[in-house]
Amino acid sequence: KQEVTQIPAALSVPEGENLVLNCSFTDSAIYNLQWFRQDPGKGLTSLLLIQSSQREQTSGRLNASLDKSSGRSTLYIAASQPGDSATYLCAALSSGSARQLTFGSGTQLTVLP
Amino acid sequence: NAGVMQNPRHLVRRRGQEARLRCSPMKGHSHVYWYRQLPEEGLKFMVYLQKENIIDESGMPKERFSAEFPKEGPSILRIQQVVRGDSAAYFCASSPRDEQYFGPGTRLTVT
Repeated sequence: KQEVTQIPAALSVPEGENLVLNCSFTDSAIYNLQWFRQDPGKGLTSLLLIQSSQREQTSGRLNASLDKSSGRSTLYIAASQPGDSATYLCAALSSGSARQLTFGSGTQLTVLP
Repeated sequence: NAGVMQNPRHLVRRRGQEARLRCSPMKGHSHVYWYRQLPEEGLKFMVYLQKENIIDESGMPKERFSAEFPKEGPSILRIQQVVRGDSAAYFCASSPRDEQYFGPGTRLTVT
């Protein structure tokens, strides 16, 4: 059974700082890994999707990496802004017929102006 | 192309009533998923459907919960005889294949 863990649970940084959010998963047989952003009381916004054959994906100030062999993914946010404050979730899609995403519990990020 | 739509956004039910949550997938998406986010907990998979078929319901509680995705119309998550423990945010996602796009969620409160 897949388990996804995110560290740290909460992070507070000053504006402009570069930061890294960590995600680990127990079953390396994944199809892809997605990073999401969730604002309080809102839905999920997909940020980046990394296929199992890929090592990283980039979108603007965001860069996500994937190391299947070690069961880890990281989300790098460059030059953080107060508008980046949100909860960041990673989720693994298992291989095979099951298409359920297994979510981590999230990292709550606060960027201080 | 409109995103995944869910309604209602907020739903209040008394214990013992039925709750019906609706999800319209993005145009062209044939896969629908339901997830539940309990207070102070992470998102948990409930069910995966394609048109007229339940593909995986391994995350659905065995009683009171059912889901459908008919040939025409939205996907419906139905909760019968709601209890306080059903209070949560219910999210629907759709995908053309692998990347899942989430709706804004329905926040169910059982009083």
